[in-house]
Amino acid sequence: GNSVTQMEGPVTLSEEAFLTINCTYTATGYPSLFWYVQYPGEGLQLLLKATKADDKGSNKGFEATYRKETTSFHLEKGSVQVSDSAVYFCALNLGGGSQGNLIFGKGTKLSVKP
Amino acid sequence: DAGVTQSPTHLIKTRGQQVTLRCSPISGHKSVSWYQQVLGQGPQFIFQYYEKEERGRGNFPDRFSARQFPNYSSELNVNALLLGDSALYLCASSSPTETQYFGPGTRLLVL
Repeated sequence: GNSVTQMEGPVTLSEEAFLTINCTYTATGYPSLFWYVQYPGEGLQLLLKATKADDKGSNKGFEATYRKETTSFHLEKGSVQVSDSAVYFCALNLGGGSQGNLIFGKGTKLSVKP
Repeated sequence: DAGVTQSPTHLIKTRGQQVTLRCSPISGHKSVSWYQQVLGQGPQFIFQYYEKEERGRGNFPDRFSARQFPNYSSELNVNALLLGDSALYLCASSSPTETQYFGPGTRLLVL
């Protein structure tokens, strides 16, 4: 079946450290891929997306590249800030007739210390 | 522009009761999806509605139902509440490019 696997958290980093959160997926067809972020007590915010192989999504210093050959969509940021502390979710959407069906990973909690 | 809005923000019910959650999509969005997020997990898909018709349903029992109104707002109903229904219920509306934008959620606690 279709699924998303994220690295286990929590991840604790010092401010200005480099961040990588791994995400791999299993899907039939050609999914769109997303990263969402959830701050404490809030809903999900779209961070970035990529809709086809080799696309790079980017936003607020975060980047992720759609790698079809490794079925991956790893999230990276060169220098994290305390304000980046949140839970990050990788997700896929097969689109088309099932466009409403986002499939999420379990989330990775990031804590950034000053 | 206003984002996705949901009401109420918090709700406490007892087992066996029924609950109705409400969602208003972003203006111009015709598709609404509902998700359940249990503490510590990723959201799980419950329903999608588009133009007032059900387009998809996740693996949830018949106690869960939903509908969409002519103004594209939506309601999620859950009957015969169980302790395990305690969760954050998220509504998302979809843009024409299919990107989903989420509301702040309704936190339901079943005692």
